[in-house]
Amino acid sequence: GQNIDQPTEMTATEGAIVQINCTYQTSGFNGLFWYQQHAGEAPTFLSYNVLDGLEEKGRFSSFLSRSKGYSYLLLKELQMKDSASYLCAVRSDYKLSFGAGTTVTVRA
Amino acid sequence: DSGVTQTPKHLITATGQRVTLRCSPRSGDLSVYWYQQSLDQGLQFLIQYYNGEERAKGNILERFSAQQFPDLHSELNLSSLELGDSALYFCASSVQAEGTQYFGPGTRLTVL
Repeated sequence: GQNIDQPTEMTATEGAIVQINCTYQTSGFNGLFWYQQHAGEAPTFLSYNVLDGLEEKGRFSSFLSRSKGYSYLLLKELQMKDSASYLCAVRSDYKLSFGAGTTVTVRA
Repeated sequence: DSGVTQTPKHLITATGQRVTLRCSPRSGDLSVYWYQQSLDQGLQFLIQYYNGEERAKGNILERFSAQQFPDLHSELNLSSLELGDSALYFCASSVQAEGTQYFGPGTRLTVL
């Protein structure tokens, strides 16, 4: 089975940087995804890591360490519209298992 | 807009009833996934179809069933509905059986 942990809530100031950590334990691993979800809306794909290292995509970066079962999502130059839930998801045997999500609140 | 469409957007029904949720994947995507999201459970994988065949099963109740049709759209059937089935139901699609999943806008089901 999957066990995926991420913090419940984080608060940061507009223009700042926030790092959302995700740790996982899995019987098999075939990639880690980050999704953004605004309340009542669909999850939106942000990033995908299957090899160790950092993937950068504009203001968002994601890091993976498979040996440590650890990933983080880095949000830079925070904007008010970044206030949302961020979901860490691990893929194993065609199945995507989601963490409970981290609610990020951006303050002016 | 992900390109995945779901209907209806909202559904209100009574306990014991049966409903059908519909999903059309992005053009070119062969795989369809169904998820349930309730406040206390997070996003839970239900079932996956790839090119018309069931590929993977998650925590799907026996009262629930799904299928993918030759035109690749999918339907999720929920029967003998209970209050606890009230949730957002998302459909996602991907090109391959293990590709990046893109989510539809969801169907909000309320069971009274």
